[in-house]
Parts: sequence; structure tokens; C-alpha cells
Amino acid sequence: KQEVTQIPAALSVPEGENLVLNCSFTDSAIYNLQWFRQDPGKGLTSLLLIQSSQREQTSGRLNASLDKSSGRSTLYIAASQPGDSATYLCAALDSSYKLIFGSGTRLLVRP
Amino acid sequence: DGGITQSPKYLFRKEGQNVTLSCEQNLNHDAMYWYRQDPGQGLRLIYYSQIVNDFQKGDIAEGYSVSREKKESFPLTVTSAQKNPTAFYLCASSIEVGASSGNTIYFGEGSWLTVV
Repeated sequence: KQEVTQIPAALSVPEGENLVLNCSFTDSAIYNLQWFRQDPGKGLTSLLLIQSSQREQTSGRLNASLDKSSGRSTLYIAASQPGDSATYLCAALDSSYKLIFGSGTRLLVRP
Repeated sequence: DGGITQSPKYLFRKEGQNVTLSCEQNLNHDAMYWYRQDPGQGLRLIYYSQIVNDFQKGDIAEGYSVSREKKESFPLTVTSAQKNPTAFYLCASSIEVGASSGNTIYFGEGSWLTVV
């Protein structure tokens, strides 16, 4: 059974810092790995989707990498801003086409 | 604007009552999903539908029911059999159930259900 873990559960950084969020999954048989942003009390917004054949995807200040062999993905945020404060969730699309979510990393960027 | 609309935003349920959460999308997506999120947790799949008049149970379907009579609509009923229904419920849709490139999943703004 696929399990997705995100560490740390919470992170607080000063504005301008570069940071890395971690996501690990137990079964490497995934179709893709997705990163989402969730603001308090809101739905999820898709940030980046990495297909299993890809190593990384970039969008603006965000870069996501995927290493299937080690069961890891990272989300790199460059030059963090207070507006980046949110919960970031990763999800793996497993072999039965179900999205398995991690419990998220709650990020606070301090001005 | 294209998107997913969930209603109501907040709902209170008395013991023994059934309640229905609405989900409407105008993205012309075939696949729709219902997830449950508990505080500090990830999302868990309740039900999903690949096409009109078809739906499958997810990982935590007990105590819930759905229907898919129209492409645009996928309502979720929380029945009295669901013993711990207090949670944040999220509806989502995608072009299809699958892994094709560009098959992004879109979420509604969620509905809070509280048992009183």
C-alpha cells in the first residue's frame, strides 16, 4: 500500500530564504508526483506535476524534482516571500490511478 | 469563470440526519472526486466517478453515498451511518481518471461539516 510522508510538518523561515520541502513515498510504481498549495480553509491549487519519466519541473520560483528509485521528491522555493505562506501537499498517483496525499508541510515566511 | 463550485461552505448536522454537499463543475471534465480532510492531515478519497452514471468507492466510502446523473454535478450525501463526519470536504475534477500528460486535477473551495 502506497504511503506518502512529508517532513517537516511545519517550517518557519525569514523572507528571502531559499527552502526545500520534502516528500517521500514507499512504492516507486507511480505515474506522477504532484505538488499542491492550500491556503487556510481553502481548496488545493496544483503547482507542479512531474511525470514518472521526468526528473524535474519548474514554474517561476518553484522547482520540483523526482527520484523514483529513492522514493523522494523535493519542492524548492527560491527567494521566499510572505505570500508563499501556506500548506504544501504532495501526492503520488499510484498504479490504480488514485492520488495518495501526504499530510502537508505548513510554511510560514516571516517578513 | 470556469471552475468547481461547492455549497454550502458551512453545514451543521444533527445526530441521525443525512446531509448533502453540492459540487458543480463547468470545466467539461469527465472525472469527479470527493475527498475528506481532517485537521493536519492529507486528503482521503471517498468516492470517484469516471463518467456519468458511474462511480466507484474510494478508501473511506462507508457512511457516504453519491450520484452522477449529470456530467456537471456530483453530490455527496453524508448519512447517519457515518459516525465521525466532522471534517473538511473537497470536491475535485479532472479531464479523465488517468495519468496522461496535462491531466491536472482541480479542486473546489471545500465545505466544512460539523456535527452538533
